[in-house]
Amino acid sequence: AQSVTQLDSHVSVSEGTPVLLRCNYSSSYSPSLFWYVQHPNKGLQLLLKYTSAATLVKGINGFEAEFKKSETSFHLTKPSAHMSDAAEYFCVVSSSNFGNEKLTFGTGTRLTIIP
Amino acid sequence: NAGVMQNPRHLVRRRGQEARLRCSPMKGHSHVYWYRQLPEEGLKFMVYLQKENIIDESGMPKERFSAEFPKEGPSILRIQQVVRGDSAAYFCASSPRVGLRMRGDSPLHFGNGTRLTVT
Repeated sequence: AQSVTQLDSHVSVSEGTPVLLRCNYSSSYSPSLFWYVQHPNKGLQLLLKYTSAATLVKGINGFEAEFKKSETSFHLTKPSAHMSDAAEYFCVVSSSNFGNEKLTFGTGTRLTIIP
Repeated sequence: NAGVMQNPRHLVRRRGQEARLRCSPMKGHSHVYWYRQLPEEGLKFMVYLQKENIIDESGMPKERFSAEFPKEGPSILRIQQVVRGDSAAYFCASSPRVGLRMRGDSPLHFGNGTRLTVT
């Protein structure tokens, strides 16, 4: 069985300050982990993915995440928030790299950027 | 190359009516997934289909819900006799068959969703 826990349902930061969105995972297998972003009334866009290569993963729009096996964490960070970063962020785990891509989503973190 | 197309974007149904949600996968993709997002929640897997086959329907409610992906045409998620609790956003995602997916690519490409409101 696999699961993800997003520790904060809402995060508010000021524009230009760092962003930290926390995620812990549980998986019986070597997991693939992803962060997706969802803007209002839109679909989901992949920010970045980890698939057992480098533990520090760089994604789009200046986001990055670090896979820490000892802590079972995959926190998402960005050095400086921009107003356009306001959205819902989902941490996602998949135990399969190929075949059935049945992803397990966290409950989401709503990021608000304060001008 | 058009992405995953879902229609309608918004659907309003009265209790007891039927809802039909359509999904056209990306060109070249033969695998389709349906997910449901209830208000204030993450996406929950419903069903995984390939052309003319249901591969995994472990997330589908046992009654009133069905899905198909015919040889020709879009995938259809059908909800019969809708109830208020069916109000949600329904997302379709597609992927190419194993061996054709590029490394670094998203495992799934999502559509913009259909927002179903049951009144």
